[in-house]
Amino acid sequence: GAGVSQSPSNKVTEKGKDVELRCDPISGHTALYWYRQSLGQGLEFLIYFQGNSAPDKSGLPSDRFSAERTGGSVSTLTIQRTQQEDSAVYLCASSLAVVGYEQYFGPGTRLTVT
Amino acid sequence: KNEVEQSPQNLTAQEGEFITINCSYSVGISALHWLQQHPGGGIVSLFMLSSGKKKHGRLIATINIQEKHSSLHITASHPRDSAVYICAVRNTGNQFYFGTGTSLTVIP
Repeated sequence: GAGVSQSPSNKVTEKGKDVELRCDPISGHTALYWYRQSLGQGLEFLIYFQGNSAPDKSGLPSDRFSAERTGGSVSTLTIQRTQQEDSAVYLCASSLAVVGYEQYFGPGTRLTVT
Repeated sequence: KNEVEQSPQNLTAQEGEFITINCSYSVGISALHWLQQHPGGGIVSLFMLSSGKKKHGRLIATINIQEKHSSLHITASHPRDSAVYICAVRNTGNQFYFGTGTSLTVIP
C-alpha cells in the first residue's frame, strides 16, 4: 500500500503568517511522529501521537507550534506567526505502535520563511 | 551535551571496504534506531534494536546496552551506500534523541 505522504512538499511563507502542514500516515498505523530538520542540523523530535492518547508535546519548540490528529489518522502541524528560524524540513513518520515497531518516514515538507 | 554522539562525522571509503559507524548515548533507552538519508531523499529506517545484533543483507547493527554503545557495519561497501547514517534512541519516556549523522561517501 501507499507510504506516508505529506503535503505540501514545499511551502514558502512570509514571516508572521500561519502555516499548516499535513501528514497522512500508513493505514492502520496508530503512532505518528513529527520531526524537524533544519539546514545543516540533525533531526529534532517535535511531537508524537499514540492512538487516542494525549500527544507527547515535549519536543515542541514554542507555543507557536501545535499539532492535532483527527480520527486517529491524518495529522496537521500548525505553526503560528512563523519566524525565519522555523525554516526547515518537517518530517512525519508513522509506525504500528510507538513501542516495538519501525518507523516509516514521509518525504517531508520544506518550509521557507522569508 | 548531546544525548547521542556519533563518530565519525564524515567517512570516505573505497568500494569494497568494510565500514563501521559508531553511536554512543547517555540516556536510558528502550530502543535504538539506525536511519539512512540519501542526498535530497527521504529517510529510511534500517534497524530498530534493543539488544544484541541484527543483519539485513550487507548491513549489520549491534548494540551493547551496558556500555550504551551501538555500531553499524557495512560489508563490501558500494557507491550506492553513500548517504547520511543517523543514530536515534527512544528513551523510556518515548522521547527521541538523534545523533548529528555520519556522512558516508563510497568511491568506486
